[in-house]
Amino acid sequence: AQSVTQPDIHITVSEGASLELRCNYSYGATPYLFWYVQSPGQGLQLLLKYFSGDTLVQGIKGFEAEFKRSQSSFNLRKPSVHWSDAAEYFCAVGALVAYSGAGSYQLTFGKGTKLSVIP
Amino acid sequence: NAGVTQTPKFHILKTGQSMTLQCAQDMNHGYLSWYRQDPGMGLRRIHYSVAAGITDKGEVPDGYNVSRSNTEDFPLRLESAAPSQTSVYFCASSYPVRSGYTFGSGTRLTVV
Repeated sequence: AQSVTQPDIHITVSEGASLELRCNYSYGATPYLFWYVQSPGQGLQLLLKYFSGDTLVQGIKGFEAEFKRSQSSFNLRKPSVHWSDAAEYFCAVGALVAYSGAGSYQLTFGKGTKLSVIP
Repeated sequence: NAGVTQTPKFHILKTGQSMTLQCAQDMNHGYLSWYRQDPGMGLRRIHYSVAAGITDKGEVPDGYNVSRSNTEDFPLRLESAAPSQTSVYFCASSYPVRSGYTFGSGTRLTVV
């Protein structure tokens, strides 16, 4: 079964500083990888996803992530954090669902990393 | 195009009462799933369905039932609610594979 580990429960950075959120996954096949963001009281918004090809993936809001197969990692980065980036971030690995026909997959999430931003 | 609609948004339930959380999608997605979100636990899958008439258990299915009679709807039923089921519940859909998940806005359920 697949699993995701986000080692950092809470990270605090100053506005304008760079950010890296760590994500390690366990999955026996080529993974589909995702990062979602959740603001307080809100639903989940997709930041970026990796399926294949270029291992550096660009997402919305200036975020990027790099897939490193040798390290089973998919870390999220942003060069300069804004106060509005304060939220909880979830990494997820997708596995294809058997007998789905249409190629559906299901996501397994990490426990999340809460980001606080100091003005 | 509403995407995934969950109702209600908030609800307070007494221990032992039953309730159905509604999930409806209008994107003709085959795959639907229910997650619960608890502080420090991330999102955990309760049940899922790959098509009408086909459902299966996720990681934390105990105390919950689902059915899928058509493509659009995937209700989650709590037969006898317990305080441990206090949580935020999300419904999510996907198809095709590369489109990513679409999440509903969530139902915040409190069992007292």
